[in-house]
Amino acid sequence: DIQMTQSPSSLSASVGDRVTITCRPSQSISRYLNWYQQKPGKAPKLLIYAASSLQSGVPSRFSGSGSGTDFTLTISSLQREDFATYYCQQSHIAPYTFGQGTKLEIK
Amino acid sequence: QLQLHESGPGLVKPSETLSLTCTVSGGSISSADYYWVWIRQSPGKGLEWIGRTHSSGNTYYNPSLKSRVTISADTSKNQFSLKLTSVTATDTAVYYCARAIRESSVAGSYPLGMDVWGQGTTVTVSS
Repeated sequence: DIQMTQSPSSLSASVGDRVTITCRPSQSISRYLNWYQQKPGKAPKLLIYAASSLQSGVPSRFSGSGSGTDFTLTISSLQREDFATYYCQQSHIAPYTFGQGTKLEIK
Repeated sequence: QLQLHESGPGLVKPSETLSLTCTVSGGSISSADYYWVWIRQSPGKGLEWIGRTHSSGNTYYNPSLKSRVTISADTSKNQFSLKLTSVTATDTAVYYCARAIRESSVAGSYPLGMDVWGQGTTVTVSS
């Protein structure tokens, strides 16, 4: 299975900050990388698919980049509702594995 | 607006079979443009992709569960189902059904992100 390594595992930031989360798969996955946001007690929500495509309805402060074995999720200006846990997932080679998550907390 | 809803027992005894159904409303599981997926989440293992089905009848399972899992679809009811046999405490989790966007090209077919999810259902394995 492809191992997905996210960093950092947790992050404290303030409203208005720019935040970057990294995801590194154990082998190349082309552009087949997705990002999700999950809040407590809720299902994950798709933010970015295919590395850089913004899911419909997701604010433009979210962006994704990368290919191969190095991907990033950037939130350009944190809003209060963005404090949550973020997961990356590869959908190139089954089983389609997830990262361990990055918990974004208010500083 | 597409909605997915999981249903099934919240408590299953060890060695028995876990059975869940995902009812889809506002869209058809017969669409060739999507995969229909089961995922689970537990504190110990995080998010785990269980498997998926497609309107073509093609299914794919996580090899770690393959000997115990079956995903099937009932197009007449617009539902798809999960069966997991011989459960143990490690199968205790929140189970989600979801829709995955399907990208098809000359290079093959790949799922993109899972864009619609059910609310999740908690299944506990305990005697």
